[in-house]
Amino acid sequence: DGGITQSPKYLFRKEGQNVTLSCEQNLNHDAMYWYRQDPGQGLRLIYYSQIVNDFQKGDIAEGYSVSREKKESFPLTVTSAQKNPTAFYLCASSPQGPGANVLTFGAGSRLTVL
Amino acid sequence: GNSVTQMEGPVTLSEEAFLTINCTYTATGYPSLFWYVQYPGEGLQLLLKATKADDKGSNKGFEATYRKETTSFHLEKGSVQVSDSAVYFCALRGSGGGADGLTFGKGTHLIIQP
Repeated sequence: DGGITQSPKYLFRKEGQNVTLSCEQNLNHDAMYWYRQDPGQGLRLIYYSQIVNDFQKGDIAEGYSVSREKKESFPLTVTSAQKNPTAFYLCASSPQGPGANVLTFGAGSRLTVL
Repeated sequence: GNSVTQMEGPVTLSEEAFLTINCTYTATGYPSLFWYVQYPGEGLQLLLKATKADDKGSNKGFEATYRKETTSFHLEKGSVQVSDSAVYFCALRGSGGGADGLTFGKGTHLIIQP
């Protein structure tokens, strides 16, 4: 079955450490996205990528970095510069053309900073 | 810019009650509108969508009608079940194509009691 796989599901980090969250899709979608979810705040866009080797900052990109070396993969690094990284992180993808409106989401990764 | 406003939760109902979750939006032109559902510890799943004015999206007994005149997309269900307990997100994608994905409301937590 096609879908989006995020790993790890749960991650604990000490302050000052970088951590990378994995996102892999086998839907052959061109576009991929990272959102951050906090209680009562909905989803906020961190980064997005429409094609391989290209990505743009979203609304809250500070303290995060991404890469898009392969169509299937869009890893997110939470750096030590991110002031409040404890959150639930969601990766999503969408096709181009017809159906571009609909985002498919992964199951999420919960990051806790100790 | 685009924005989505939905009713604050939690919304608590008894099984078989009628459900309405209000959603209004601000956007230029004719955005596409969506309802997503999130079960505990999981990612978001598309529940229904509408892409033009007066369209009605429906799925699993849920319905929402795209009302351009009132800029609304309220979610309704005639008889809720305990299994409908989840967080519901209203979202839009701008008529300009929205390469940066969807704009989400803050979510409404629905609790159905037996």
